[in-house]
Formats: sequence, C-alpha cells, structure tokens
Amino acid sequence: ILNVEQSPQSLHVQEGDSTNFTCSFPSSNFYALHWYRWETAKSPEALFVMTLNGDEKKKGRISATLNTKEGYSYLYIKGSQPEDSATYLCALNVRRALTFGSGTRLQVQP
Amino acid sequence: DADVTQTPRNRITKTGKRIMLECSQTKGHDRMYWYRQDPGLGLQLIYYSFDVKDINKGEISDGYSVSRQAQAKFSLSLESAIPNQTALYFCATSDPAASPTDTQYFGPGTRLTVL
Repeated sequence: ILNVEQSPQSLHVQEGDSTNFTCSFPSSNFYALHWYRWETAKSPEALFVMTLNGDEKKKGRISATLNTKEGYSYLYIKGSQPEDSATYLCALNVRRALTFGSGTRLQVQP
Repeated sequence: DADVTQTPRNRITKTGKRIMLECSQTKGHDRMYWYRQDPGLGLQLIYYSFDVKDINKGEISDGYSVSRQAQAKFSLSLESAIPNQTALYFCATSDPAASPTDTQYFGPGTRLTVL
C-alpha cells in the first residue's frame, strides 16, 4: 500500500502570514502528483498537477513544487487570507487511481 | 447545473439495511470513482470504473458493491449497512484523454450515518 503523508495535520495562521506544508511519498515511479483544495461543505477541487522533478506551479498566491528524487512536494501560500481556510489534499497517481494523503487543515484568522 | 451530482446528500439508516448511493455526471468522462472520507483520514478509494465494462476494487471494497449502469451513472451499494460505514462518500470522474495526470472532479458528497 502506497503511503502518502502530509504534514502538519493542521495549521493556524494569522491573516497576512505566509505558510507552507509538505506532502511526502516513497520515491518511486508515478504518473503525477496532485494538490486539491477542500473547503468545508464543498467538493475537493483540483489546484495543481505536477509530473516532472523540479516542476513548479503557481495560481495567484498559491504555488507548489515537486521533488521526485527525494519524494516530496511543497505547497506555499503567500499572504494567507481567511478565504484560504480549507483542507489541502495531496494525491499520487501511481497506477489506475489516486492515493490521497490525510490532508493539512489550514485555518487563517482575520 | 453541477457536473457531478450525488443523491441523496444526507442519509440516516439503521444497521442491516441496504443502501444505494447514486452518482451522475454530465462531463462525458469515462472514468468514475467512489471514495469515503473519515475524520482524520484522507479519501480512501472504494471502487473505480474506467468504462461501463471495467470495474475494479479499491483499497476498502469489503462491504460495498457497485454498478455502472451507463457512462454517466455509477452507483454504490451497502448490502447490509454497519455503523463503521458511517462516513462522507464522494463520487468523482476523470477524463482518460487527460491521462496520465487524471485530474478528478468531485461531486458534493453524501453524508451517511448508520445507527
């Protein structure tokens, strides 16, 4: 069973703080690494998908990097806003379906 | 209208009852998935289907069955519900043309409580 680990489990920051969290996985062959954003009472929504070592993706204040050799991906949020409060899920596409980590729950206090 | 819909959105049932959760999609995607989410855990894959004739077990298929009635419909059944099947259930779809990245699109979820 593939183990996708996310840290920290939860994070409380103040509005305006920058923050980052980690997704770790066994360094192995995989097709893609995904980041999803899941707001309470809504559906998870895709943020980024990365496939190559060194990939970097950016969407507004949120960015992500991928290091396949050492088996991790970072998600960064610059200048956190209350609307960034959500659970951020990492998932690995190894074979035919995604394996998800348990997520990092971010709370941004105004 | 939502691209991926799930019915019901909430359901409370009793131990031993048969329950069906339904998922429909208008995205035209061949691939469909069922996940469950428990507090503190990530999404765990129950079953997935890459087309109407291709159905596969996921990590936690025991106690569940599925039916792919058409490209657009994928149902999840609990033959005899038990309390530890209380969870949030998500349906998702993906487009094989986007393979191998396979971004998934999720429905709104069904909250199931088994008493």
